Amino acid sequence: GENVEQHPSTLSVQEGDSAVIKCTYSDSASNYFPWYKQELGKRPQLIIDIRSNVGEKKDQRIAVTLNKTAKHFSLHITETQPEDSAVYFCAATAMGYGGSQGNLIFGKGTKLSVKP
Amino acid sequence: GAVVSQHPSRVICKSGTSVKIECRSLDFQATTMFWYRQFPKQSLMLMATSNEGSKATYEQGVEKDKFLINHASLTLSTLTVTSAHPEDSSFYICSARQGAKHEQYFGPGTRLTVT
Repeated sequence: GENVEQHPSTLSVQEGDSAVIKCTYSDSASNYFPWYKQELGKRPQLIIDIRSNVGEKKDQRIAVTLNKTAKHFSLHITETQPEDSAVYFCAATAMGYGGSQGNLIFGKGTKLSVKP
Repeated sequence: GAVVSQHPSRVICKSGTSVKIECRSLDFQATTMFWYRQFPKQSLMLMATSNEGSKATYEQGVEKDKFLINHASLTLSTLTVTSAHPEDSSFYICSARQGAKHEQYFGPGTRLTVT
């Protein structure tokens, strides 16, 4: 089955700096890679996702890159702000025709702290 | 759009009793719902997957007779923790997906404390 490794487990940056979180996956059939942000005691929120037919996707200060050959994908946050502080989870899944598969396998999470 | 609610948000129960947690998709039809368990400072552990009108598929190591899941409609799934024990204390989160869409949206979670 799929195995997702996420690094680092903790990341501390100064406000305004960039933050990068990396994940690797094992199942070459995986084709959907979402990233979730979870604040303490709250629900995980989908912040960006990427499908295997593209290599990069950007949404304002957030970007995700995917290297299918190396089986890794990364989250990039630029111009970090204190409100970016949270735990970030990557996930991977293999979506079949008609959504027949699709159990998300999560990384262990990265606690991001942005210092003002 | 894509709002998932969960009720209750917190529950405290005595050991040996059962607790029911509801998960609702408010503005879309959730053909598939997922139940996760999350321990403090840890990742989300998938417990089971349920499709509307079908029996849930449980992950290895999850007791189906202890964690009863019902997905009776396209907007409601329930998780019942039967004969709860202190080790069942955890944060339980559901998520929902619509049809063949990739995105999963999470409920706010239920903090269960068994005394």
